Amino acid sequence: DIQMTQSPSFVSASVGDRVTITCRASQDISSWLAWYQQKPGKAPKLLIYAASRLQSGVPPRFSGSGSGTDFTLTISNLQPEDSATYYCQQANTGPFTFGPGTNVEIE
Amino acid sequence: QVQLLQSAAEVKKPGASVKISCEASGYIFTDYRIHWVRQAPGQRLEWMGWISAGDGDTKYSQTLQGRVTFTRDTSARRVHIEVTALRSEDTAVYYCARESSRYYNWFDPWGQGTLVTVSS
Repeated sequence: DIQMTQSPSFVSASVGDRVTITCRASQDISSWLAWYQQKPGKAPKLLIYAASRLQSGVPPRFSGSGSGTDFTLTISNLQPEDSATYYCQQANTGPFTFGPGTNVEIE
Repeated sequence: QVQLLQSAAEVKKPGASVKISCEASGYIFTDYRIHWVRQAPGQRLEWMGWISAGDGDTKYSQTLQGRVTFTRDTSARRVHIEVTALRSEDTAVYYCARESSRYYNWFDPWGQGTLVTVSS
C-alpha cells in the first residue's frame, strides 16, 4: 500500500497569514493527489484534485502543487472559516490512502 | 445539486452486522461509482472500496474483504454497505462519497456520515 505522511500535524496562524502543508507519498503517484478540508462533525470537502486543480466553488486562496512524491497545499490570506483539519489522499493505486491530517487553528 | 443522504446512526453488539444506506440525487445515478470511507474516532480516513452504480461491479480494500459487502438498488438510487462480524474497532463514522468525475478516484460530494458504535 502507498503510505501518506503530512507535516506539520498542527499549525496555528493568524488571519491573513499564509499556511503551507506538506504531503509525501511513499512512492511516485505522479499528480494523482487530492486535498480535503474537514470541519468537526462534518464530512470532508474536496478542495484540490490532480495535485493542483481547484475544485469548483473553492476559494482561490487555496492552491496545490507538486508531483511524484512531494506535494503542498497552500492557504493564502488565511480566513477564520479555514479552521479545520486538512487531509491529502493519493488516487493513484488502490487502496486509496489518506494522510494523517493537519489541524489548522486560527490564533 | 448533487447530494448523498445517509441513513441514521446505529448501535450494535460485537459479532452483529450493520447495513447502512446512501441515497443519491441530482445526477444520473448509474453513471458514477460510489466509494465508502470510514473514520474511527481521532483517526485518519480509511478507504473501504467502491461500487459501480451502473453495473454493480465492486472493489474492496483487502483489509476488509470478506466482512464488507456493497450493493445497489438502481430504482431507489441507493447504495448500501453491510459490515458483518462487527468488532469494537469498527466503531467509526462511515461515509459514502461519489467519484467527482467518472473513473477518477477523488471524492465529491460526500454523504453526511453515519456513526456506527459497536459496544457490548
